[in-house]
Amino acid sequence: DVKVTQSSRYLVKRTGEKVFLECVQDMDHENMFWYRQDPGLGLRLIYFSYDVKMKEKGDIPEGYSVSREKKERFSLILESASTNQTSMYLCASSLLLAGTADTQYFGPGTRLTVL
Amino acid sequence: TQLLEQSPQFLSIQEGENLTVYCNSSSVFSSLQWYRQEPGEGPVLLVTVVTGGEVKKLKRLTFQFGDARKDSSLHITAAQPGDTGLYLCAGPDSSYKLIFGSGTRLLVRP
Repeated sequence: DVKVTQSSRYLVKRTGEKVFLECVQDMDHENMFWYRQDPGLGLRLIYFSYDVKMKEKGDIPEGYSVSREKKERFSLILESASTNQTSMYLCASSLLLAGTADTQYFGPGTRLTVL
Repeated sequence: TQLLEQSPQFLSIQEGENLTVYCNSSSVFSSLQWYRQEPGEGPVLLVTVVTGGEVKKLKRLTFQFGDARKDSSLHITAAQPGDTGLYLCAGPDSSYKLIFGSGTRLLVRP
């Protein structure tokens, strides 16, 4: 079974702190994604990566950065957390890109609260 | 911009009832996927439909892709409490990213 793990299930941070969210997948997938999920808005793509050290902006990249130094690990960084970044963050991986109707495998999510 | 609209947003039904949820767009999609997300977990893929008019069955769940590939529906027969969750449809945009609908939250009461 594909497994995608995220470093924390719940996280509480203060405004202005630097926040790291870690994601690891164990299936040698090329592609990894970071989404945020807010009620009524569905999943919105923040960043994705199709190879080590490669990254592409998604629909809402402002206030976020990412790092992919190893194939299995994709990190989301909030350089200076703000209250409007309070959300559920979901990491996903896939073998192929979405255009090929491939499956995305999701981690359990990190619920981040910024005070 | 390609958008996926899901309806209804919320559905609360009694165990044993049937239901249908919808995923609509004004854009054509090469395929559509349905995911289910249970509380405290990430979404899990249920099905992918790729051909206009296609019908796929997964036990009590029936998925249909519209003939024009602009819409899809999910029908659940004799719903059970284990069907409770958030149902999301998703489709690839022109740049190979997956876009998601806002979801239908289903509660099946025992």
